[in-house]
Amino acid sequence: GAVVSQHPSRVICKSGTSVKIECRSLDFQATTMFWYRQFPKQSLMLMATSNEGSKATYEQGVEKDKFLINHASLTLSTLTVTSAHPEDSSFYICSARGGRVGTEAFFGQGTRLTVV
Amino acid sequence: QKEVEQDPGPLSVPEGAIVSLNCTYSNSAFQYFMWYRQYSRKGPELLMYTYSSGNKEDGRFTAQVDKSSKYISLFIRDSQPSDSATYLCAMSIGGGGADGLTFGKGTHLIIQP
Repeated sequence: GAVVSQHPSRVICKSGTSVKIECRSLDFQATTMFWYRQFPKQSLMLMATSNEGSKATYEQGVEKDKFLINHASLTLSTLTVTSAHPEDSSFYICSARGGRVGTEAFFGQGTRLTVV
Repeated sequence: QKEVEQDPGPLSVPEGAIVSLNCTYSNSAFQYFMWYRQYSRKGPELLMYTYSSGNKEDGRFTAQVDKSSKYISLFIRDSQPSDSATYLCAMSIGGGGADGLTFGKGTHLIIQP
């Protein structure tokens, strides 16, 4: 397998502030990274797909100005939740694919975001 | 109608039993089918990956895909307490993982010692 590290694992922030979540591929070069969101008792929902060096492609209904995605290098993508509100509280998970791992996507451990 | 339907459970079975998990889907364009295991507060871990219809076996796990019925299954033989987790089905149109995945809600499985 391959290792995808996501940080932080959990974060609590105040309403109106911004939060940055990092996703790193530790032992392979991730040409593509995916960001998912999972609400309690719901499916993981794809938010956006990012290719290294390109702008992210957002799924319908996901606000690109609110969820800023940067994939500036082959091993790092970041998701910034701007002006967070309580309804943004969720479990955010990244996955990465590319390089030696080919088309299989490996998941990070997830980030539990709580906005108070 | 959701794209992927999966009974969330919980499904509780005694140790050693054969477990059957399944999903139905509506989009006939899905070609790649996956099963993930997710422990609490962790990211999903890929268990099985199949392309199109057919069966695939890996140790105690068998994945079945019936595209004509839009129905996929995961069987776990000789179930162990360590198999207790949430099992997610996932599928994609493009080469598994190349596109973003569409997930079911996950089935919470409990194996009783």
